[in-house]
Amino acid sequence: GEDVEQSLFLSVREGDSSVINCTYTDSSSTYLYWYKQEPGAGLQLLTYIFSNMDMKQDQRLTVLLNKKDKHLSLRIADTQTGDSAIYFCAESRGGYNKLIFGAGTRLAVHP
Amino acid sequence: EAGVVQSPRYKIIEKKQPVAFWCNPISGHNTLYWYRQNLGQGPELLIRYENEEAVDDSQLPKDRFSAERLKGVDSTLKIQPAELGDSAVYLCASSQMTVPYEQYFGPGTRLTVT
Repeated sequence: GEDVEQSLFLSVREGDSSVINCTYTDSSSTYLYWYKQEPGAGLQLLTYIFSNMDMKQDQRLTVLLNKKDKHLSLRIADTQTGDSAIYFCAESRGGYNKLIFGAGTRLAVHP
Repeated sequence: EAGVVQSPRYKIIEKKQPVAFWCNPISGHNTLYWYRQNLGQGPELLIRYENEEAVDDSQLPKDRFSAERLKGVDSTLKIQPAELGDSAVYLCASSQMTVPYEQYFGPGTRLTVT
């Protein structure tokens, strides 16, 4: 089963902000990642954060990390219909490059 | 720059038949990963290669699955014989051997076993 947990579904109105949450288990995870998967496609790396950081911003994306609570979030500003997809968080283990993924959060953007 | 290439994109076979998937990673990426993604789940690592060496195959069901990366570039994942429970998307990814080990994924092969 997944050691990384995410809520399964999020629905937002176009133009609003989306916040996707994730909890992980391995406190020694060095990097945490967010991936996006559109239908019929592989996973696209959106962003990552190093474990000694609290926040990382990249254009419309903001990642927040609470290491004490092992909580990671991805905020998408001004959400567009093209952002509709499944979003996976992943933690790194065992030499950093072994990724453990959550089950994914399906983001639906409606007008 | 070309991304990770996988073939075939789709495969339908009957149970007990063999099947093989092929992956060509991004040029210069020494590390190659095979994942299996079941419906409604995140990917799970099957095997990881650093150059030609399989450094993590703990999740590979070795009774029926095999993989090879003979020249440290492209790789093949094989299932023989396939079972109904093997129906899934098989994803290949590659990365450089430097932090932060950004993994880039191919489009996957959707396998249906009937």
